Amino acid sequence: EVQLVESGGGLVQPGGSLRLSCVASGFTFSSYDMSWVRQAPGKGLEWVSYVSRSVSIEYYADSVKGRFTISRDNAKNSLYLQMNSLRAEDTAVYYCARDRWDAAFDLWGQGTMVTVSS
Amino acid sequence: EIVMTQSPATLSVSPGESASLSCRASQSVSSNLAWYQQKPGQAPRLLIYGASTRATGIPARFSGSGSGTEFTLTISSLQSEDFALYYCQQYNNWRRTFGPGTKVDIK
Repeated sequence: EVQLVESGGGLVQPGGSLRLSCVASGFTFSSYDMSWVRQAPGKGLEWVSYVSRSVSIEYYADSVKGRFTISRDNAKNSLYLQMNSLRAEDTAVYYCARDRWDAAFDLWGQGTMVTVSS
Repeated sequence: EIVMTQSPATLSVSPGESASLSCRASQSVSSNLAWYQQKPGQAPRLLIYGASTRATGIPARFSGSGSGTEFTLTISSLQSEDFALYYCQQYNNWRRTFGPGTKVDIK
């Protein structure tokens, strides 16, 4: 089955760190670019970060630049998001998504919830 | 940053009727426009990409049109499972942006 499965969410204090993971199965992970997208409670979708299939290109939303780092391990079919200096406004469900320049986000994980609160 | 707007915010439709959802981009995105459906507690699902191409497994009652800055998602003969939130998104550049969404609810 073609799927993405996120993990690593949880409750963290402001200023803390968290690392999210996304494991891909059912397709050739190394052939696809990937992104993280988040959704704050009751709000819309916000693209967070992108990494190319070869890991040579990374992009970040201004809201997370300098605090979040995207990475991937193609040998492990895994995508990661290292989140540092977390703020209350980072509270959201974080989705990993397969990112195709010709077909947008065509595959999504089920999401993992991150709550930043003291 | 390309700003996406959607209208209306909420659309009340009776089952069996059609619905037209609008999406506008602040600058041209060519045909690099996608539509997603999201139901409560679920991840978004890709419906349309390339402004008018249905994703795999999407019923023919969903159709997309437009190019440049003006786009439309049309749902013909709404089924009960179609009542949901719909987002448009541009992928014309690396800074992907989404519209605020249109909620389609039962009239």
